[in-house]
Amino acid sequence: ETGVTQTPRHLVMGMTNKKSLKCEQHLGHNAMYWYKQSAKKPLELMFVYSLEERVENNSVPSRFSPECPNSSHLFLHLHTLQPEDSALYLCASSQGQGSSYNSPLHFGNGTRLTVT
Amino acid sequence: AQKITQTQPGMFVQEKEAVTLDCTYDTSDPSYGLFWYKQPSSGEMIFLIYQGSYDQQNATEGRYSLNFQKARKSANLVISASQLGDSAMYFCAMREGRKQTGANNLFFGTGTRLTVIP
Repeated sequence: ETGVTQTPRHLVMGMTNKKSLKCEQHLGHNAMYWYKQSAKKPLELMFVYSLEERVENNSVPSRFSPECPNSSHLFLHLHTLQPEDSALYLCASSQGQGSSYNSPLHFGNGTRLTVT
Repeated sequence: AQKITQTQPGMFVQEKEAVTLDCTYDTSDPSYGLFWYKQPSSGEMIFLIYQGSYDQQNATEGRYSLNFQKARKSANLVISASQLGDSAMYFCAMREGRKQTGANNLFFGTGTRLTVIP
């Protein structure tokens, strides 16, 4: 198993659909993250979970709803998205508390989301 | 202000040559970590190398080394003996040590696209 696995790899959805992105980490880490990567923009942190508790929510619209049922799994529930939400969504995990500045993040392959 | 600045949108290097990718950062926190990631076309962000603000020596990992100049706030990545598989986007990132809003954030630059020419 690779360290951080994301499914699906690609997702096309209409603006009225509801879908979920899944992330699973096999590294024994206790912090997990969602990032959004849009063309020609730096990666944007969306959510951070540390020990299954949400510790950061970077003013993300409510149409994105994260869920972290345990330290190995992270979901991003999507509903009534807009075309500008089309992007690559990356999940990551790290060791230690979410604020340890020397802990590298380990990323998954990402989900390429297209909203039509 | 930008936390991380990468001024080279694209770079070309001949196979087997060395290349330097530039990164400057901005922070007033004495404790911070600097990271470089590689992103191939597949999308995965691959962690390459880490440098801590208190580290006395420049970090090295195989063909990757980090030229850390603290006074200049620069953390350039040097790739030696370039290979075709090194062609990818490269991102510099920083994490600050202060426990405050954003302390969990890994700030990324806009990246440099490296192309290795056979």
